[in-house]
Amino acid sequence: GAGVSQSPRYKVAKRGQDVALRCDPISGHVSLFWYQQALGQGPEFLTYFQNEAQLDKSGLPSDRFFAERPEGSVSTLKIQRTQQEDSAVYLCASTQDSLNQPQHFGDGTRLSIL
Amino acid sequence: RKEVEQDPGPFNVPEGATVAFNCTYSNSASQSFFWYRQDCRKEPKLLMSVYSSGNEDGRFTAQLNRASQYISLLIRDSKLSDSATYLCVVNADSNSGYALNFGKGTSLLVTP
Repeated sequence: GAGVSQSPRYKVAKRGQDVALRCDPISGHVSLFWYQQALGQGPEFLTYFQNEAQLDKSGLPSDRFFAERPEGSVSTLKIQRTQQEDSAVYLCASTQDSLNQPQHFGDGTRLSIL
Repeated sequence: RKEVEQDPGPFNVPEGATVAFNCTYSNSASQSFFWYRQDCRKEPKLLMSVYSSGNEDGRFTAQLNRASQYISLLIRDSKLSDSATYLCVVNADSNSGYALNFGKGTSLLVTP
C-alpha cells in the first residue's frame, strides 16, 4: 500500500481482555514506531524497531504491553489484561531510515476499554 | 516537565488573519524539528520540517532559535481549512532512537 496501514480502526474490549493491534508500514521502511495518544494529548512514544530488532521499548507503560516485528515488516502491539487507562489511540509510524526523517503515521487504532 | 511545551489555545481567528504559534523544547541536543497538523479523530500529518535558517511553504513560515530552544509557526491569510491542532515535534534523545517528542498541540479555529 501507499501508506502506513493499521488495523483494526476501532477496538472495544472488556477490562481484563487481551488485545492485538496491527501495523503495516510503508514498504521498505526500516524504522517503525508505536505511539499512544490519550484524549487531548500529543502522541507519546512507546517503542521503536529497526527492521526486526526492537531497539527501544522504554516508553511501554507496563509489562502488559508487548510489541514485535518478527520479519522486519508488519508489527503487532499486544496489550494483556487491559485496563481502562489503556483506552487511547495507538499510532504506528514508519520511516525509510531513522536518521532525522519525518515520520508517516497510520490512521491509528482507537482502543476503548470498558 | 514535558520536553516540548506549547500553548494549548484555542486560538480563534477570523478568515484572513495571521496567527503565530510558539513552542519551546528542553533537550538542547535535539536535531530535528517539525510541525505536524492533526485534524479531529485523524492521524498527525507532517506540515513542514523546521530548519535553522527558517523556512517558508506558501502561507506557512517556520522559525527555529536554537539558542533559546524555541520554534514558531506563522500562518498568514488563514483559511477555514486551517482549523486543526498543530503539534510541535522535536526528535527525542539517542536513548529513544529517533522517536519524536510531541507537544500537546495548539488548537486553531478559523471562523468565517
